[in-house]
Amino acid sequence: DIVMTQSPDSLAVSLGERATINCKSSQSVLHSSNNQNYLGWYQQKPGQPPKLLIYWASTRESGVPDRFSGSGSQTDFTLTISSLQAEDVALYYCQQYYRTPLTFGGGTKVEIK
Amino acid sequence: QVQLVESGGGVVQPGRSLRLSCAASGFTFSSYAMHWLRQAPGKGLEWLAVASYDEVTYLYADSVRGRFTVSRDNSRNTLWLQMNSLRGDDTAVYYCAKDREPSLIHYLGSWGQGTLVTVSS
Repeated sequence: DIVMTQSPDSLAVSLGERATINCKSSQSVLHSSNNQNYLGWYQQKPGQPPKLLIYWASTRESGVPDRFSGSGSQTDFTLTISSLQAEDVALYYCQQYYRTPLTFGGGTKVEIK
Repeated sequence: QVQLVESGGGVVQPGRSLRLSCAASGFTFSSYAMHWLRQAPGKGLEWLAVASYDEVTYLYADSVRGRFTVSRDNSRNTLWLQMNSLRGDDTAVYYCAKDREPSLIHYLGSWGQGTLVTVSS
């Protein structure tokens, strides 16, 4: 199985400041057939199901604010919230879909400082 | 719009069985792979199983293979998860989710609200 490791477990950021979440996979999720990284990011607010934010490591889902961006390749990925808003308080998960079993990082809790 | 509505959760004794349902609407169900995932209280996300769009291929996580069975009926726009020999560590919110694209690439574009399963005597 591909193990996904997120860091940090939690972070507190002031409103308007940048939040950065890291995700590392135990093996490359870059597929040679299409040169795409099979990596997604999800946001989960309390009492709600996860919501897809980013796929192919850097493609924003429709309707997701452009303050959210994804970057990285092969085994190292980053989700950046460029200017934290109050509504961004949530848990964030990375997920690889390179192969089954689909696996998720342990989650990063983002709070307001 | 896409709607996924899970049902069938509840309190069940260890060793017993439970069947979850996921009623889908708002999209062409027969074109998308469908998944079951779960989230134990205060824990992260765990993928459990996928049913291919054509009702042919069913894949499972090691943690549930042999105990859980996923099935679907494209004529009824419904996905099921049959859970047998339930244990305390199966206590979780169970979600159904659909692939974002009608392909074999599994990033999850829509999720249901989840149904809580509590395994306790």
